[in-house]
Order: sequence, then C-alpha cells, then structure tokens
Amino acid sequence: DTVLTQSPALAVSPGERVSISCRASEGVNSYMHWYQQKPGQQPKLLIYKASNLASGVPARFSGSGSGTDFTLTIDPVEADDTATYFCQQSWNDPPTFGGGTKLELK
Amino acid sequence: EVQLVESGGGLVQPGRSLKLSCAASGFTFSNYYMAWVRQAPKKGLEWVATISTSGSRTYYPDSVKGRFTISRDNAKSSLYLQMNSLKSEDTATYYCASRSRERGFDYWGQGVMVTVSS
Repeated sequence: DTVLTQSPALAVSPGERVSISCRASEGVNSYMHWYQQKPGQQPKLLIYKASNLASGVPARFSGSGSGTDFTLTIDPVEADDTATYFCQQSWNDPPTFGGGTKLELK
Repeated sequence: EVQLVESGGGLVQPGRSLKLSCAASGFTFSNYYMAWVRQAPKKGLEWVATISTSGSRTYYPDSVKGRFTISRDNAKSSLYLQMNSLKSEDTATYYCASRSRERGFDYWGQGVMVTVSS
C-alpha cells in the first residue's frame, strides 16, 4: 500500500502563512487530495488532484506538488482554520490517507 | 444541498453483526461511486469499501474483506454496509462518502459510531 507521511502537528499565528507537507512512499501522479477535519465533525474536501480548489473553499487554501511530494498552503491563516488536515491518494489501490497534521493557532 | 445521513450504529458484541445505512439526497446518487471510510477514536482515516454506480463492482481492503459487504439501492438513494464477525478493532466512526478517482471523497456524511465490545 502507498504510505503517506505527514508531520503530526504545527502551530502558527493568525495572519501567517503555513505549509503542510505530505510525502508518498511511491508516485501518485497528481492524484493527491486534501481534507480538513474540525473536532467532532466529518472531513471536508479542500483540494482535489493536487491543486484544484473544491467548491466553496476559500482561496486562502492552495495545493501544489506531483509525484511523491505535495503541499497544502494556507495564506493567511485564520482562527477558524484550527483543525486536522489529511492528505489522501487515489492513484494506487487501495486509496490511502496520511496520518493527519493537527494545526494549532498560537 | 448534498446530504448523506448515516444510521444503524451502536454497541455490539465481538463476533456479532451490524448493518449501517446511508440515505443520500441533493445529488444524482446513481451517478456516483460510493464508499465507507472509518476513523477509530483519536486515530486517522481508513478506507473500508467502495461500490460502483450500478453495484456490480465492490472493493475492500484486506482488513475487512470477507467480513464486510457494501451494497446500494439506487431507487432509494441508499448505501449500506453489512458488517459480520465484528472485532474490537472495528470500533470506529463510520462515514459514508461519495468517491471518485479525480476528486477523492468529495461529500461526507456526519458519521455513525460503532463500538465492538463485550
């Protein structure tokens, strides 16, 4: 299975720029997606196919990367962005998720 | 507005069975592959099952293959997950989600909790 590795946690101040990384154990082309999960809620799709903004998602969120290295960027970060962010690949079977990066605001 | 509403969760003993349901509305259900994804308490996300638009093709990870069965009823816009021979490690919140290779899991239900314990 394709293993996706994310840093476990980040802390930033409101108004700053933050980049959340996801590294795949093998190439996934551009088939990497990003989700936001707030406490007690279901995950929400933010970015699909590496760089495409899902409907209704603020333009503060952006994605980049291809192959094995991907990045989710939030600029500027707002207080409401406190959440866990997961990457997920759909190029190789089975679909797999990263362990999640918990974003905390200072 | 897209809505996915899961039901059927609860406390069940190891080795027993449980069937989850997901009622869909706000989109053309029959046009979408659908899936179940679970999340153990304080843990990450794990894909559990996928079903094709017609229901003729199903896919599972090794962790549930042979024990779980995904099915759908397009006339009722409903998705199901039959879970047999449940184990303690199946304890999780189970989410119903629409699925495509291009967009990942684009719509999610609110989730339903399944606890497997004696």
